[in-house]
Amino acid sequence: KQEVTQIPAALSVPEGENLVLNCSFTDSAIYNLQWFRQDPGKGLTSLLLIQSSQREQTSGRLNASLDKSSGRSTLYIAASQPGDSATYLCAVRGQGGSEKLVFGKGTKLTVNP
Amino acid sequence: ETGVTQTPRHLVMGMTNKKSLKCEQHLGHNAMYWYKQSAKKPLELMFVYSLEERVENNSVPSRFSPECPNSSHLFLHLHTLQPEDSALYLCASSQDLSGTNYNEQFFGPGTRLTVL
Repeated sequence: KQEVTQIPAALSVPEGENLVLNCSFTDSAIYNLQWFRQDPGKGLTSLLLIQSSQREQTSGRLNASLDKSSGRSTLYIAASQPGDSATYLCAVRGQGGSEKLVFGKGTKLTVNP
Repeated sequence: ETGVTQTPRHLVMGMTNKKSLKCEQHLGHNAMYWYKQSAKKPLELMFVYSLEERVENNSVPSRFSPECPNSSHLFLHLHTLQPEDSALYLCASSQDLSGTNYNEQFFGPGTRLTVL
């Protein structure tokens, strides 16, 4: 059974700092991995999707990497801003045609001005 | 409206009530999903629909009854719920269920449900 773990559970940083959020998964047989952002009481916003054949994806100040063999992904946020404060969720989709996304519990990020 | 919308945004109901959650997607997608997000637990997939047919039901209690009348609308009918069913219920959609990049899921804002 796939399990997704995100460390740390919460992170507080000063504005302008570069930071890394970690995601690990137990079964490396994944189809893709997706990073989401969730603001309090709101739905999820997709940030980056990495296919299993890819190593990384970039969007603006965000860079996500994937090491499938070791079951790890990182989300790098450059020059953090208070508006980046949110919970960041990692989710993996297994192979074999299943559409089931397995989510981690998320990392709650606070960027202090 | 664009994207995925959900109504109502907040709902308070008693254990004997019957209510329905509505989701609508304006993205031309063929697959829709219901997720449950409880406090301090990962998102849990409840149901998956593809072209109005249910393709996955993750051992969800029968007090939750989904309905997908067409590819743009998804409902979750609720009856005789328990207080532990209080959670954020999220709807999502994707292009289809094929193994392509179009499978990226887009989420609605959710319905915050409180069962008294």
